[in-house]
Amino acid sequence: DGGITQSPKYLFRKEGQNVTLSCEQNLNHDAMYWYRQDPGQGLRLIYYSQIVNDFQKGDIAEGYSVSREKKESFPLTVTSAQKNPTAFYLCATGKGQGRYNEQFFGPGTRLTVL
Amino acid sequence: AQTVTQSQPEMSVQEAETVTLSCTYDTSESNYYLFWYKQPPSRQMILVIRQEAYKQQNATENRFSVNFQKAAKSFSLKISDSQLGDTAMYFCALPSGTYKYIFGTGTRLKVLA
Repeated sequence: DGGITQSPKYLFRKEGQNVTLSCEQNLNHDAMYWYRQDPGQGLRLIYYSQIVNDFQKGDIAEGYSVSREKKESFPLTVTSAQKNPTAFYLCATGKGQGRYNEQFFGPGTRLTVL
Repeated sequence: AQTVTQSQPEMSVQEAETVTLSCTYDTSESNYYLFWYKQPPSRQMILVIRQEAYKQQNATENRFSVNFQKAAKSFSLKISDSQLGDTAMYFCALPSGTYKYIFGTGTRLKVLA
């Protein structure tokens, strides 16, 4: 089946630890995205990547890092520098460009800092 | 700057009734797509409907339809014959630039039995 997988579904982290959230897609889409969603809130863009080995900061990139070594994968690392990392994280891919960009979403990862 | 505004944080509707969710936006583009996404309690974001701005006909997908007013920059979502499974957060979205998206803050819809 074509789609986007995110793992793990739930993740617990101790303060001061870095954690990496996985995102894999087999839709053959060039663009990939990471969003953060806080309770009752909309989506805020963390990072996005248009092509392999290239990525851009979104609106709330501080405390996060990404890599895009292959088209199918776009992992997100939440570093200890992120002050309030407890949130729901959504990975998405983009089909098309510009005004025709349609986004597809993974099932999400809930990160809780203990 | 492009913006998307959803002014109704929460709404409720009786099962089988019709409800309309509002969205206004601002863009300098002449042609573009607009989207409505649904996020049920499972948190999986699902595309509900898309509208291409140059098409005058409002998009329809089964019980979901839009009222697109380009001049007024309004893009509302109408849900007919509401079902319990329609309970979700609904987000209006507008592509911005080459690859980015702008999402509204969402409307939480509760369908009452």
